[in-house]
Amino acid sequence: NAGVTQTPKFQVLKTGQSMTLQCAQDMNHNSMYWYRQDPGMGLRLIYYSASEGTTDKGEVPNGYNVSRLNKREFSLRLESAAPSQTSVYFCASRQLGQYTDTQYFGPGTRLTVL
Amino acid sequence: KQEVTQIPAALSVPEGENLVLNCSFTDSAIYNLQWFRQDPGKGLTSLLLIQSSQREQTSGRLNASLDKSSGRSTLYIAASQPGDSATYLCASRGISTDKLIFGTGTRLQVFP
Repeated sequence: NAGVTQTPKFQVLKTGQSMTLQCAQDMNHNSMYWYRQDPGMGLRLIYYSASEGTTDKGEVPNGYNVSRLNKREFSLRLESAAPSQTSVYFCASRQLGQYTDTQYFGPGTRLTVL
Repeated sequence: KQEVTQIPAALSVPEGENLVLNCSFTDSAIYNLQWFRQDPGKGLTSLLLIQSSQREQTSGRLNASLDKSSGRSTLYIAASQPGDSATYLCASRGISTDKLIFGTGTRLQVFP
């Protein structure tokens, strides 16, 4: 049971380049999330997916697109990277039960846009 | 719009001290309040979950309380240890929403 995995761990892009951040969870969770974490800003929600086939915007969606490929995978795409997108990106999934509500986070992707 | 604030931003204490981390939220209509730990360069790990109907939750040396009327939650760490050094974040989940709103965290250092 690997939990939430993210690839790559590190990435350097030039302004205007595109890339896709991959996320997968093996816990059969319905909900998945993409956050970015910047110094002094906490975690901010970019996009989320409440179930396979659905996606919704979070707090800071501009410049990003997402795909919920299947129940396991939720990818984040930067079509034309900008220096303002330099950040640490975290993927998470949610376990919701009668008495539980736990989010499991991946290890993060550290992205630098030059 | 829910806003979550954590004070202090950073805290440095000697080993063995009992300490309190504070979390404030502006909208009392929450579904639950959660506390997370983040080690440097790592993802977040869930520590405690308090449902809106609860007043507190305990796990080992950690105790989290919730006062919805005042919009506050506290995380109490008893007998702190150097291994407790990390950033602690609180997050609120609103009613009928799939989103967590995070505070900016308190960076804790416990020195021997």
